[in-house]
Amino acid sequence: DTGVSQDPRHKITKRGQNVTFRCDPISEHNRLYWYRQTLGQGPEFLTYFQNEAQLEKSRLLSDRFSAERPKGSFSTLEIQRTEQGDSAMYLCASSPNRGGGYTFGSGTRLTVV
Amino acid sequence: GENVEQHPSTLSVQEGDSAVIKCTYSDSASNYFPWYKQELGKRPQLIIDIRSNVGEKKDQRIAVTLNKTAKHFSLHITETQPEDSAVYFCAAPTLGNEKLTFGTGTRLTIIP
Repeated sequence: DTGVSQDPRHKITKRGQNVTFRCDPISEHNRLYWYRQTLGQGPEFLTYFQNEAQLEKSRLLSDRFSAERPKGSFSTLEIQRTEQGDSAMYLCASSPNRGGGYTFGSGTRLTVV
Repeated sequence: GENVEQHPSTLSVQEGDSAVIKCTYSDSASNYFPWYKQELGKRPQLIIDIRSNVGEKKDQRIAVTLNKTAKHFSLHITETQPEDSAVYFCAAPTLGNEKLTFGTGTRLTIIP
């Protein structure tokens, strides 16, 4: 499979628990993006990496959120002390260069109960 | 930052007719404008894109037009089919083309 992979596809967690999602981009893509999508809305930017460097974080990304891409390949997004408002689809995308189209993964649907 | 507005939010079209979705953007430095199609429960998929050095691009039944002066671009789908039913998102780059800002989406329903 040469697409963008995300794991898990679904996650149900209790409020206050920590969760971690993984994204494996297309191997030759050096840019990796995390977006969040709630029902009826467009994807909202969270953060992005060029290789292993995290270049920007959205104001949407509170201190409870952290993302890493340690070797410039896969990335993880961790949410600590989850809240019900964190319930959303978390989408990962990759791109081979600046100013180009993204290839999205299937997303991780998080439900906080 | 970039502000992307998309209209309409919902659109119902008789099968075989054309559909048009419009977006406006605010960052005059933006030079790449993609359109994504998202079916229920699936990932957004790139269906067509345009760069600012051209005014129109076609791919079979789908076309995108760009007016850089007015800062708007549109998606045109001709001879619509039931499988065109989905949510469509426009996007425009910001931060020197580093990331995409998405519109709020248009839910297109094709009526058989």
